[in-house]
Amino acid sequence: VMTQTPLSLSVTPGQPASISCKSSQSLLHSDGKTYLYWYLQKPGQPPQLLIYEVSNRFSGVPDRFSGSGSGTDFTLKISRVEAEDVGVYYCMQSTQLPLTFGGGTKVEIK
Amino acid sequence: EVELVESGGGLVQPGGSLRLSCAASGFTFSSYEMNWVRQAPGKGLEWVSTITGSGSATFYADSMKGRFTISRDNAKSSLYLQINSLRAEDTAVYYCARRPISRREFDHWGQGTLVTVSS
Repeated sequence: VMTQTPLSLSVTPGQPASISCKSSQSLLHSDGKTYLYWYLQKPGQPPQLLIYEVSNRFSGVPDRFSGSGSGTDFTLKISRVEAEDVGVYYCMQSTQLPLTFGGGTKVEIK
Repeated sequence: EVELVESGGGLVQPGGSLRLSCAASGFTFSSYEMNWVRQAPGKGLEWVSTITGSGSATFYADSMKGRFTISRDNAKSSLYLQINSLRAEDTAVYYCARRPISRREFDHWGQGTLVTVSS
């Protein structure tokens, strides 16, 4: 089970934001990798990949997004929130089947 | 440019069947595992199924086993999802998403197709 907090976040542009994702089991795979991802679903759009394997930014993702964590506890940070960052953020694990997503964190701009 | 286009959704009565399709372009289709993920109205994301690049292996969420069948036609660069005995709780947008072989992230998603199960 993947548990995200908070459920929602209202952020002033230019301020930081942080989202937590906790797994009920360690996401460290026997191959030494941790298969934890972050996606952003903007309104009316499909999800888009932001971060792969805990801390690697996907192609084209601004460097204001960063991921960290290990084992069961993970965090997505936005250093300076911009208007285009609104949407729902999901963590996802693919260390083991079934692949599971967190419940989502809705980010809005104040 | 990578493109995934789903089709086949619509309104169907409970107990009915539907076959969803996902047409892929802009990449070597057989080099990617393909997946279905669904999202009920106003809800979060739920993984449905995965199929390997060759189509030799398939995986399903426990709640989907038995009624859902994933398949692919690499010659047509197409992915399919057959859903039988549809229930109201299957109402959702169904997304196809690709995953590079030897990696585990869904790096591109389609726009989705809406399935509504209602009498």
